[in-house]
Amino acid sequence: NAGVTQTPKFQVLKTGQSMTLQCAQDMNHEYMSWYRQDPGMGLRLIHYSVGAGITDQGEVPNGYNVSRSTTEDFPLRLLSAAPSQTSVYFCASSYSFLTLTSGGPGGQFFGPGTRLTVL
Amino acid sequence: KQEVTQIPAALSVPEGENLVLNCSFTDSAIYNLQWFRQDPGKGLTSLLLIQSSQREQTSGRLNASLDKSSGRSTLYIAASQPGDSATYLCAPGGDRGSTLGRLYFGRGTQLTVWP
Repeated sequence: NAGVTQTPKFQVLKTGQSMTLQCAQDMNHEYMSWYRQDPGMGLRLIHYSVGAGITDQGEVPNGYNVSRSTTEDFPLRLLSAAPSQTSVYFCASSYSFLTLTSGGPGGQFFGPGTRLTVL
Repeated sequence: KQEVTQIPAALSVPEGENLVLNCSFTDSAIYNLQWFRQDPGKGLTSLLLIQSSQREQTSGRLNASLDKSSGRSTLYIAASQPGDSATYLCAPGGDRGSTLGRLYFGRGTQLTVWP
């Protein structure tokens, strides 16, 4: 298993540009999410998905879009990059709540992160 | 909203010491709690997962306890080594009316173990 993979590892954008951060997992996890990590702050949830075709907003969703067309992939789109979006982005996945409470394997797995700089 | 506090924010100790890292959270309606370590410039590595019905979990020199009713978890590191140097993050999963699968993070404890 490759686990959770993210591409690219590093990216520099100019203000106003758009781009997509890729995330994929090969563990057949229902739940996937995106976090951002900024210095001096804890990780904050951007968007999440509880299954293919279902997404919802987290704590800091503005300026980001997501879609979930397959179980494996959960891309994060920056529509018009701003300097405030300079951050490290992490994708995570896990089994569903129902699987956890029925005694299935738990815990979230994180990707290696994408370091994004917006000039 | 779930708030997570980790104490101390930073810790510097000589090799061999037994350590205690503390985590508190405001909403006890969680379904699990995970401890992670993060090395500089790297992603998060899961260390231990405690389900809400459990009191503790152990893995090697690591032991994590959970007191859900008081909103506290503690990570014990026995016989610390320089390789343990990293930031340790506590993440309770869920709260009242929570998003399924959501984790809440504290700012972490930055640990340095010197030889």
